[in-house]
Amino acid sequence: AQSVTQLGSHVSVSEGALVLLRCNYSSSVPPYLFWYVQYPNQGLQLLLKYTTGATLVKGINGFEAEFKKSETSFHLTKPSAHMSDAAEYFCAVSVPNGSGNTGKLIFGQGTTLQVKP
Amino acid sequence: DSGVTQTPKHLITATGQRVTLRCSPRSGDLSVYWYQQSLDQGLQFLIQYYNGEERAKGNILERFSAQQFPDLHSELNLSSLELGDSALYFCASSVLSSGSPLHFGNGTRLTVT
Repeated sequence: AQSVTQLGSHVSVSEGALVLLRCNYSSSVPPYLFWYVQYPNQGLQLLLKYTTGATLVKGINGFEAEFKKSETSFHLTKPSAHMSDAAEYFCAVSVPNGSGNTGKLIFGQGTTLQVKP
Repeated sequence: DSGVTQTPKHLITATGQRVTLRCSPRSGDLSVYWYQQSLDQGLQFLIQYYNGEERAKGNILERFSAQQFPDLHSELNLSSLELGDSALYFCASSVLSSGSPLHFGNGTRLTVT
């Protein structure tokens, strides 16, 4: 069964500093990986996804993530934090197409990012 | 705007009651997913429908049920409500192709008093 672990339920950075949100996954087959962001009182918005190919993927709002199979990780980074980045971030995994593929996502517990001025 | 519409936005009801949450997927998406988000459990997958048929079941209580109609909208029915059912319920939709992301609505916040 697939699972996702996000290290750190709260991360605080200063505006302009590097953002690093950690995600490790467990899957018996190469997974598809996603990062979503949730702003207060809103739904989840897709930041980026990894399916196959290039292991460094770029997303919206200057975020990127790197798939590292050997470390079973998919950490999210942004070189310079902005106040508007304050939100909750979720890492998610799904299993690629097969006879039982449903496309459902298994989410981590989320990481709240605080950006200090 | 994700294109997924959920109604109502807020729902306040008493224990023991029954409510129905509604979801309209993005145009062209055949698959609908329901998730429950609470502080202690996080985002939990409840159930998935694809083109009117149940496709996958997660941690959905027997008091909860769902269906997807021919026009592809979906409803989540919650009955015999308990205080612990208070949560944010999200609907998401996708095209269900390899690697396709889920597109989420803004959720229905259910408060059981």
